[in-house]
This record gives sequence, C-alpha cells and structure tokens, in this order.
Amino acid sequence: GNSVTQMEGPVTLSEEAFLTINCTYTATGYPSLFWYVQYPGEGLQLLLKATKADDKGSNKGFEATYRKETTSFHLEKGSVQVSDSAVYFCAAKETSGSRLTFGEGTQLTVNP
Amino acid sequence: DTAVSQTPKYLVTQMGNDKSIKCEQNLGHDTMYWYKQDSKKFLKIMFSYNNKELIINETVPNRFSPKSPDKAHLNLHINSLELGDSAVYFCASTGGRTGELFFGEGSRLTVL
Repeated sequence: GNSVTQMEGPVTLSEEAFLTINCTYTATGYPSLFWYVQYPGEGLQLLLKATKADDKGSNKGFEATYRKETTSFHLEKGSVQVSDSAVYFCAAKETSGSRLTFGEGTQLTVNP
Repeated sequence: DTAVSQTPKYLVTQMGNDKSIKCEQNLGHDTMYWYKQDSKKFLKIMFSYNNKELIINETVPNRFSPKSPDKAHLNLHINSLELGDSAVYFCASTGGRTGELFFGEGSRLTVL
C-alpha cells in the first residue's frame, strides 16, 4: 500500500515568511496527491491536489508540484499569514480503490 | 446545509460504557469513512463503507462496530469504552474519481 512521510513539526514562522512543508510518498503505481488543512476545532478540508506527474496544485497562495522522480509533493507559500496557522496533512490515494493514506500532519504556527 | 455532519460533537463518558456517534452526508456520495485522530493529530483510518457494504476494516478492536443503514449514513458504536479510546473521531465521504474526501467537524470522545 501507499505510505506518506511529512517533515516533522511543529513549524513556527513570522508573518510574511516563506513556508515549505516537505512530503514524500511511496506507492506501487501513480497515486493522486493531496494537501489537507485542519484549522483549530474543525475537520480537515482539501487545500489542493494533483493527479499526475508534473501537475501543480494551487489554492489560497499555496502551491505543490507532483514530482514523480523524487516522489515528492512539497507544500509552499511565499508569504504566510497568521490565519494560515493550522495543521497540514499530505495524503496519497491509491490508483485503484478508495483508500486515502495521510502523513503525520505538520502543525504550523504563524506569529504576527 | 452542512455536507457531512456528525453528532454529538463532544462526548464525555466513563470507562466501560457503550456509546454511539452518528454521521450523515447530503452530498450523494457512495463511500463513507471513520477516522480516529489521536492527541498528536495522527489520523488513522478505521472503516470504510461503499453503498452500505464494508470495504475497509483496519485492525480495530471488535468493540468498535460500524453500521451503515443507507449510503448517506454511517454510525459508529463503541462497546466497553477504554481510556485509550479518547480521541477525535472524524467521519468523511467521497463520491468522485478525484478521491477528495469531505470531512465532518469531528466528535471528541473523552473516556474518564
């Protein structure tokens, strides 16, 4: 089955700093890749996704590119805001079936 | 018009009790899930149902019993609650080929 590894947290940044959260995956095929965000006290919600190699997902200033050669899907944002403080999860969905495998989650705190 | 709704949102109970958490989705999805999130935010899949049929059953104690009366509902019953069952339980659903999951807001279970 798939497995997903995220960089360890927590991550603390100042407002307007550059953000990178690393994510790598292992899979037998070509999974679809996702980033989910969980704001305090809420459920997870989809932030962005990519379904094939070299696709770039983007939303709310966040971007991630599906890199097959390095099996990575790193999340980036050029200038973070306090409102970006949340837990971020990388996930992979196997090519067949409905199982979505999540990484460990990375807690991001952005200070004013 | 909440897409995936769970009840109750909070549940505090004594060890040894039996409790249930209910989930309903109004998205017309065929597949529903239960995830358990521990205090370190790690997400672990427990069960998945597709059109009322069990398709994923992870290594979960048999004190946990899911039930899907129809494809819009997936309930979780837990017998003989233990301290280690304390967690946030998330219901989710999916219906498209993209694999995007839609999550409920979570049910925080505290076992005393």
